[in-house]
Amino acid sequence: SSELTQDPAVSVALGQTVRITCQGDSLRSYYASWYQQKPGQAPVLVIYGKNNRPSGIPDRFSGSSSGNTASLTITGAQAEDEADYYCNSRDSSGNFWVFGGGTKLTVL
Amino acid sequence: QLQLQESGPGLVKPSETLSLTCTVSGGSISSSSYYWGWIRQPPGKGLEWIGSIYYSGSTYYNPSLKSRVTISVDTSKNQFSLKLSSVTAADTAVYYCARQRIWFGESYFDYWGQGTLVTVSS
Repeated sequence: SSELTQDPAVSVALGQTVRITCQGDSLRSYYASWYQQKPGQAPVLVIYGKNNRPSGIPDRFSGSSSGNTASLTITGAQAEDEADYYCNSRDSSGNFWVFGGGTKLTVL
Repeated sequence: QLQLQESGPGLVKPSETLSLTCTVSGGSISSSSYYWGWIRQPPGKGLEWIGSIYYSGSTYYNPSLKSRVTISVDTSKNQFSLKLSSVTAADTAVYYCARQRIWFGESYFDYWGQGTLVTVSS
């Protein structure tokens, strides 16, 4: 079982805001990184650290963290944002890494 | 632009050893502050971190796979490799290699290979 817990599925209306969460004790000590994966493609890093976006990632993607919960927010979701989203961080011991189970985002 | 490419057999027999290599181009595997990792994804399932290696040979492994996994690096070829022994059907997955930045309280995988499907079957 994953030490990072994500909701299996979330939906959002086109143009609205959606928050995808990731819970785990290790998130009190370590930042999460977030990955977008579309069918048949490799994951793509969208958020890392406190709230950093790699070059080429739209600014509608943002990250935040509070206590044991990290969040990925998409402000003004677009049809192309429909994908699976995974969080990743160290485990509580800090000695290895774990992915959340993933959240399937549907844009209605 | 950094690129990673996985290579290796797409079919492995049960109980045998899975061997994959990741070739890094457009940058040096000996860059400081970067580890090099393997991640896998069984069909229709989520991502699982397998392990990571630094160019010096320092490694981290997933505890659930540690007894069967060996990750090595060849700086002269700008490659790193994965060996997973005693495979079963449960090891059937798309295997990705990726560059991992580890920096104090944060870490992330910023460049990924396209992935390679490895099927375990007789």
